[in-house]
Amino acid sequence: KNEVEQSPQNLTAQEGEFITINCSYSVGISALHWLQQHPGGGIVSLFMLSSGKKKHGRLIATINIQEKHSSLHITASHPRDSAVYICAVCSRLNYQLIWGAGTKLIIKP
Amino acid sequence: DGGITQSPKYLFRKEGQNVTLSCEQNLNHDAMYWYRQDPGQGLRLIYYSQIVNDFQKGDIAEGYSVSREKKESFPLTVTSAQKNPTAFYLCASSARTGDNYEQYFGPGTRLTVT
Repeated sequence: KNEVEQSPQNLTAQEGEFITINCSYSVGISALHWLQQHPGGGIVSLFMLSSGKKKHGRLIATINIQEKHSSLHITASHPRDSAVYICAVCSRLNYQLIWGAGTKLIIKP
Repeated sequence: DGGITQSPKYLFRKEGQNVTLSCEQNLNHDAMYWYRQDPGQGLRLIYYSQIVNDFQKGDIAEGYSVSREKKESFPLTVTSAQKNPTAFYLCASSARTGDNYEQYFGPGTRLTVT
């Protein structure tokens, strides 16, 4: 079993829908990252969380440390949100990053 | 603005050639990392360096080499011994002071070897 699991692997939705991407992990962490990667593009850091909730524009990230779970939400989704969303956790044991496999999101107009 | 620079964004090479990917940071971070991404997979650690003049192998170091002569620079060389070099390469850096933790990511370099 992977130490960081993302779900779903693939998600297709219509423009305007509320999107939720989940990340579960099994190790003790010091922080969790959400990143975005557009097709053929580079990686952009969206959030770094160690507790609670963060919001940036239409993006909201939450984390529940006790349940070892984080969610990334996109409100009023738009085709330009189509990308791979990656969760990564920083292990409290050795401060190394452990990466999820990513969630491929497609928003149809 | 502080950050990590990786250049170029896209790189093309012929099989059998060594190629060096650059990674520069102006964040004064001690630790730097190189990761590799293959389609449909999570990123995997190639090499990391916790301090200047020191580096450690990650999970998939075979066929790669690094140097850390300066704090701000951590170049990765993909050698001809790397059997499947075509991939996306991500550089990152981090710093930890007590409970404070910073992690930054470069934009990545997409290497294609034909």
